[in-house]
Amino acid sequence: DTGVSQDPRHKITKRGQNVTFRCDPISEHNRLYWYRQTLGQGPEFLTYFQNEAQLEKSRLLSDRFSAERPKGSFSTLEIQRTEQGDSAMYLCASEIRDLGVSGANVLTFGAGSRLTVL
Amino acid sequence: QKEVEQDPGPLSVPEGAIVSLNCTYSNSAFQYFMWYRQYSRKGPELLMYTYSSGNKEDGRFTAQVDKSSKYISLFIRDSQPSDSATYLCAMRNNQGGKLIFGQGTELSVKP
Repeated sequence: DTGVSQDPRHKITKRGQNVTFRCDPISEHNRLYWYRQTLGQGPEFLTYFQNEAQLEKSRLLSDRFSAERPKGSFSTLEIQRTEQGDSAMYLCASEIRDLGVSGANVLTFGAGSRLTVL
Repeated sequence: QKEVEQDPGPLSVPEGAIVSLNCTYSNSAFQYFMWYRQYSRKGPELLMYTYSSGNKEDGRFTAQVDKSSKYISLFIRDSQPSDSATYLCAMRNNQGGKLIFGQGTELSVKP
């Protein structure tokens, strides 16, 4: 396992369609994060999981967005009824949360899934 | 006002120049400070990581944190064309959880 894997790398869809992105974290990592990045901006936090539990969701995550990590391994991010404003790079990151100081851990990012909504 | 502010640039320098990249932040709870580098159409990759105030050096890169001023910097010495990328500062508190990113500074190093 060489890193965080995301699929698909690029998705083009029409407004109103549903899309799903998949993230496979580094195998021993128990925390998984989703971020959204638009052109010229830094990544914005969407949500994160520890194992299968979703611990925090951003207010950016509207009702049309849902994320799951059913078995504490891979995760999916689904966007329903896509809008042109959803066009962005969706980044996944993972880390090990150990028993030490949590903030000392490091997030490893995948290459991202680029969404284009026409 | 955003929690983390970063000058978006773009910044263009000649090869061999010293580059200074900076971020300011408002949340005094932030304790862990990172710099990520992001090439076009790629995910961010960790470059430097520091805890609390102080300096950290790694090769041509030096990260500085001044918590009293809520100001962090990344210096790149002897800059190379391969350093051309977007540099993102990021930070988090002691409890871990989400990283908060700056806007990113686009750097171009001209041969």
